[in-house]
Amino acid sequence: DIQMTQSPSSLSASVGDRVTITCRASQHISNYLNWYQQKPGKAPKLLIYAASTLQGGVPSRFSGSGSGTEFTLMISSLQPDDFASYYCQQSFSTSPYTFGQGTKLEI
Amino acid sequence: QLQLQESGPGLVKPSETLSLTCTVSGDSMNRSPSFWWGWVRQTPGRGLEWIGGIHYGGNTYYSPSLKSRVSMSVDTSKNQFSLRLRSVTATDTAVYYCARLDNYPETMFDRWGQGTLVTVSS
Repeated sequence: DIQMTQSPSSLSASVGDRVTITCRASQHISNYLNWYQQKPGKAPKLLIYAASTLQGGVPSRFSGSGSGTEFTLMISSLQPDDFASYYCQQSFSTSPYTFGQGTKLEI
Repeated sequence: QLQLQESGPGLVKPSETLSLTCTVSGDSMNRSPSFWWGWVRQTPGRGLEWIGGIHYGGNTYYSPSLKSRVSMSVDTSKNQFSLRLRSVTATDTAVYYCARLDNYPETMFDRWGQGTLVTVSS
């Protein structure tokens, strides 16, 4: 299995801050990397696919970058609605698809 | 607007079979050959775990760690797909999500159900 490791596991920030979350893959996955946002009691929501492509309807303050084994999710100016957990997921290998352990973004 | 909704028992006894159905509304499951339909589960300890997926044509692929216990089926006439997980134990207790896996232009879980908690306990 391809292991996905996120850092940090939790992060405290304030409205207006710029935050960066890192995701590392245990092997090369090209740009087959997706990011999801999850709020308590809700399903994950796709934010970014193919490492850097914003899903429709997602605010432009979210951006993704990276290729190979290291990827980042950046939120340029935190809004109150952004406090949630974030997960990366590799789609390079179907056997199996794997997720990072998550980053909880707190005030 | 595409919606997915999981249904099934919230409590399953150890060694029995967990069965869930996902009903898709707002669009046809077979509208595009790039769509697969899958299951993901989530626990506090193991996080998000992909279980497997099924195409509307019936092809399946399962996570290797669960392959021996999992089966999936699809009923396009009802716009539903289903999960069966045999011989469950307490470690199968989780929130189970159904999701659409879109393979174009890239592979991503782009729509999710709200999730359903399944507890394995006697």
